[in-house]
Amino acid sequence: EAGVTQSPTHLIKTRGQQATLRCSPISGHTSVYWYQQALGLGLQFLLWYDEGEERNRGNFPPRFSGRQFPNYSSELNVNALELEDSALYLCASGREGNLLEYTEAFFGQGTRLTVV
Amino acid sequence: EDQVTQSPEALRLQEGESSSLNCSYTVSGLRGLFWYRQDPGKGPEFLFTLYSAGEEKEKERLKATLTKKESFLHITAPKPEDSATYLCAARGGSYIPTFGRGTSLIVHP
Repeated sequence: EAGVTQSPTHLIKTRGQQATLRCSPISGHTSVYWYQQALGLGLQFLLWYDEGEERNRGNFPPRFSGRQFPNYSSELNVNALELEDSALYLCASGREGNLLEYTEAFFGQGTRLTVV
Repeated sequence: EDQVTQSPEALRLQEGESSSLNCSYTVSGLRGLFWYRQDPGKGPEFLFTLYSAGEEKEKERLKATLTKKESFLHITAPKPEDSATYLCAARGGSYIPTFGRGTSLIVHP
């Protein structure tokens, strides 16, 4: 079974530009989570999509946005890039279980975004 | 607000020296406590899910346990290949997995 795939693996952008990161979930998974992992910091929650809808977003400015497509793949867009946006961006996919239990999320290998 | 705190931040062990990593969590209505392993520059690799206090799960040299406020990851007779950062995450009523900062484990041969 194919895992979560992210592209590109590395991305170098100039301050002020826009970046688009892509994620394909595991087959059968309808939820996609995006996290930012800056150097030396923990995983910071960015966005959660489920069944094509944005369900929740973390404490990030509006220039971080995304969407989920009908095939459950997802895009993360970062506008007006700043130097501090340099980080590993991780995508995870999961599926909801019954009302009392929720299944684990599986991560991709990440996109390393460098803003210069 | 959901919170997850891991300790210690870093741990150095000799090969074969058993130890435990701690994960303290504060979430409303726990709906899963997850452990992941992360190697440098890679995405986290799923290890365990625990749902209720008293639950235990094992995989090779790793054993995860859960109480109402904490989870422990016990590492028995570790090997150098167990060196990695171990992440804990808790999922509560917000449905968003909240991660701790991780414990960086180094096992010396």
